[in-house]
Amino acid sequence: DQQVKQNSPSLSVQEGRISILNCDYTNSMFDYFLWYKKYPAEGPTFLISISSIKDKNEDGRFTVFLNKSAKHLSLHIVPSQPGDSAVYFCAASLGLYSGGGADGLTFGKGTHLIIQP
Amino acid sequence: DTAVSQTPKYLVTQMGNDKSIKCEQNLGHDTMYWYKQDSKKFLKIMFSYNNKELIINETVPNRFSPKSPDKAHLNLHINSLELGDSAVYFCASSQGYGGETQYFGPGTRLLVL
Repeated sequence: DQQVKQNSPSLSVQEGRISILNCDYTNSMFDYFLWYKKYPAEGPTFLISISSIKDKNEDGRFTVFLNKSAKHLSLHIVPSQPGDSAVYFCAASLGLYSGGGADGLTFGKGTHLIIQP
Repeated sequence: DTAVSQTPKYLVTQMGNDKSIKCEQNLGHDTMYWYKQDSKKFLKIMFSYNNKELIINETVPNRFSPKSPDKAHLNLHINSLELGDSAVYFCASSQGYGGETQYFGPGTRLLVL
């Protein structure tokens, strides 16, 4: 019962173009969403987040879009650079607005982004 | 300055042994977590600690026990290791709880032979 799904195991994009990574979730109680980037043999590194009261958040080359009605979020990277090649994890959390207790993040399985020169 | 650190980075051991993994954060965060990344690459929450109290405890075997000597440390003790415990274990921390951004350590790669 995967509550967070990343249906593309890998994605190949040319350098300079836009990379779009997608994520779907099933639990409508999630109210905080994050994207993490992971290089081999390292821990996940926080990239960008968005709360459920917003539909867009931008930070430099990274933009996250949230479509609550579709239970879908996406990460846009533009322009894509060679250093962006990594595994990207989508994660979701309960409790930002629901007043719940401490919860771990629920992760998707990740998408391996490959930026081609 | 490493924000969240774990030791050891690699751990190879025999079935039945008892081992510990240490985690320290210098971010001044109140909540710390342990995650397991299994062979299918899923990252799953195991435990979290907030102000030295266990907040959640997912359905992990009781051979696993988190121990927090202070707010900056959350160690993971594993008794009677089994083959299926082989995985990468990540420590993380966040300022508060409930929807806070979590910051991860580099991971400990455990191999049980």
